[in-house]
Amino acid sequence: SAVISQKPSRDICQRGTSLTIQCQVDSQVTMMFWYRQQPGQSLTLIATANQGSEATYESGFVIDKFPISRPNLTFSTLTVSNMSPEDSSIYLCSVVTRPGTDTQYFGPGTRLTVL
Amino acid sequence: DAKTTQPPSMDCAEGRAANLPCNHSTISGNEYVYWYRQIHSQGPQYIIHGLKNNETNEMASLIITEDRKSSTLILPHATLRDTAVYYCIVRPWGGSGNTPLVFGKGTRLSVIA
Repeated sequence: SAVISQKPSRDICQRGTSLTIQCQVDSQVTMMFWYRQQPGQSLTLIATANQGSEATYESGFVIDKFPISRPNLTFSTLTVSNMSPEDSSIYLCSVVTRPGTDTQYFGPGTRLTVL
Repeated sequence: DAKTTQPPSMDCAEGRAANLPCNHSTISGNEYVYWYRQIHSQGPQYIIHGLKNNETNEMASLIITEDRKSSTLILPHATLRDTAVYYCIVRPWGGSGNTPLVFGKGTRLSVIA
């Protein structure tokens, strides 16, 4: 498994502002993903964070709203831009630690409230 | 869209076995069955996965029917700390882990004292 940390753990933000969420893993991983969990809902995949190249976004999510960086094999950031109350969610980082295992592990999440 | 069907909720008495069913009638030959759970306000936790044979680890057992169209997750002695939403997910074995998990609505298990 892997130890995954996210910063911040929670935040309250004003509409129109942006927040960058950090995901740090204690070992090199092959795949990193970002998910969103809206209140009372299941998890929805936002994008796959690709090292050294642009992220791959799922339908309904765009780079201008959710820019993602992954500069190396242990770190990624997700920015929620120009926030509105509808962006209030838990944002989760997820990783696959090595090829051939396929098991995905999740971070503790970042709880975002937009006023 | 999720490829699995689970009951929205279940109750289980503390100390008894919790049997959580999952229907995946359209599963393909290269797809594994994964189970995760999410305790309130935490990130999902991996429980177990399998292809066609029954699997057991320190957390649970996974029973997959011979035709692979359904499975059951068994928590042998449920405790209050097992109260969570349990997700059954099918995903192809990609070798390099390229296919991320797609979550359905899961089953909310309530363990009752």
